[in-house]
Amino acid sequence: AQSVTQPDIHITVSEGASLELRCNYSYGATPYLFWYVQSPGQGLQLLLKYFSGDTLVQGIKGFEAEFKRSQSSFNLRKPSVHWSDAAEYFCAVGGNNDMRFGAGTRLTVKP
Amino acid sequence: DADVTQTPRNRITKTGKRIMLECSQTKGHDRMYWYRQDPGLGLQLIYYSFDVKDINKGEISDGYSVSRQAQAKFSLSLESAIPNQTALYFCATSPASGGANTGELFFGEGSRLTVL
Repeated sequence: AQSVTQPDIHITVSEGASLELRCNYSYGATPYLFWYVQSPGQGLQLLLKYFSGDTLVQGIKGFEAEFKRSQSSFNLRKPSVHWSDAAEYFCAVGGNNDMRFGAGTRLTVKP
Repeated sequence: DADVTQTPRNRITKTGKRIMLECSQTKGHDRMYWYRQDPGLGLQLIYYSFDVKDINKGEISDGYSVSRQAQAKFSLSLESAIPNQTALYFCATSPASGGANTGELFFGEGSRLTVL
């Protein structure tokens, strides 16, 4: 069965610093991979997704993620974090009826 | 206006009470879902529906039931609420497979339920 691990529960970075959020997955076939962001009091919003093709995918708000099949990873990156990026980030794997979410990584941004 | 609307946004109830959470959408999507979010556990799928006549159990359906009243409406019921059902509940929609948004879920803002 598919599963997703986000090893970091909470990360704090300074505004302007780079960011990498880790995601490892287990899936029996070529996975569909997603990153969602949840701002306080809001639902989840899709940042980016990988289905096939180029393993480096670009998303909204300046985020990107790289699919590495050999490492079963799909890490999210941003070169320069803004205070408005403070939120909870969820990695997900699967399809419409078998989507699995990670436990989430909470991002705090220091001024 | 939100494309996926959940009501109520917050609800406090007592053990044993029946609770219904409602979800309506204006996105025109056939597929609708109910998820539960608990701290440290991410989101877990309760039920999903691919069209009005299709209802499927997810990972954690025990203690819950759903009704798909129309393409745009999908309700979640707790027949007899218990304290460990205290959680944040999300409704989501998605388009059918094959389009540009394949696999993407569109979420409501959530319904926070507290069972005392």
